[in-house]
Amino acid sequence: DQQVKQNSPSLSVQEGRISILNCDYTNSMFDYFLWYKKYPAEGPTFLISISSIKDKNEDGRFTVFLNKSAKHLSLHIVPSQPGDSAVYFCAASARAAGGTSYGKLTFGQGTILTVHP
Amino acid sequence: NAGVTQTPKFQVLKTGQSMTLQCAQDMNHNSMYWYRQDPGMGLRLIYYSASEGTTDKGEVPNGYNVSRLNKREFSLRLESAAPSQTSVYFCASSDSVIAKAFFGQGTRLTVV
Repeated sequence: DQQVKQNSPSLSVQEGRISILNCDYTNSMFDYFLWYKKYPAEGPTFLISISSIKDKNEDGRFTVFLNKSAKHLSLHIVPSQPGDSAVYFCAASARAAGGTSYGKLTFGQGTILTVHP
Repeated sequence: NAGVTQTPKFQVLKTGQSMTLQCAQDMNHNSMYWYRQDPGMGLRLIYYSASEGTTDKGEVPNGYNVSRLNKREFSLRLESAAPSQTSVYFCASSDSVIAKAFFGQGTRLTVV
C-alpha cells in the first residue's frame, strides 16, 4: 500500500522554464509534507516543506502547493536551472494522536528531473 | 559540523555473511531511521527509533535487526545477507517536533 505516490518517474525541462513535480497521498492523517532533493552518491537533502494548515509555501525559486481535498501536492521550480537536475522525493508525516511530535517520514518513489541547457 | 555519519560507504558481502551498518548523529535528535533505496521504489523505511531505548519496525524490516545504542548511535545488522538486500542504505535523524529529517551519505551494499 503506497501511501505517497509520485506517478511520474522522470521529467525533462528546458533551462529557464518551469518544472512541476507532482505527488499524491492517501493517508488523511498526514499533516506535514516535505520535498527532498538527491544527487547521485549523496544522501537526500531537505528542500522545502509545508504544513497542512497552509496551501502554499515559497522559498526563492521553489514553491510547494498543497491541495488537501485532492490529497495532492506539487513542487514548482521557476526558473529551472541545470543544477536542479536530480531526483526529487516527496515525503509526508503525521503527528501522533493527541501529541505534538511527528512520526516517521513516508516517501514517494521519486521523480528524476533533468534540466537541459 | 558532521550531521549524520554512516560507515562504511561501500561493502560487498557474500550470501549468508553478516555485517553491521553504523550510524551516528551529532544534532541531539531524538528520532533515528534506517531507509533503503531501490530503483523505482523510493526510500522505504526499515526500522526507526523514536527515542533512546525504543525501536519499531518500518515497511520492510524482514532480515534486519537494529540497536539504538544511545541517543547518538543507531546501528543496522544483517544477520545472514541475501542478494535481495543489495541496496543503498540511508540513516537519518530528526527532531520529532519539526519532522524534517537529515540524512547520511549512504552505504552502498552489494550481496553476491
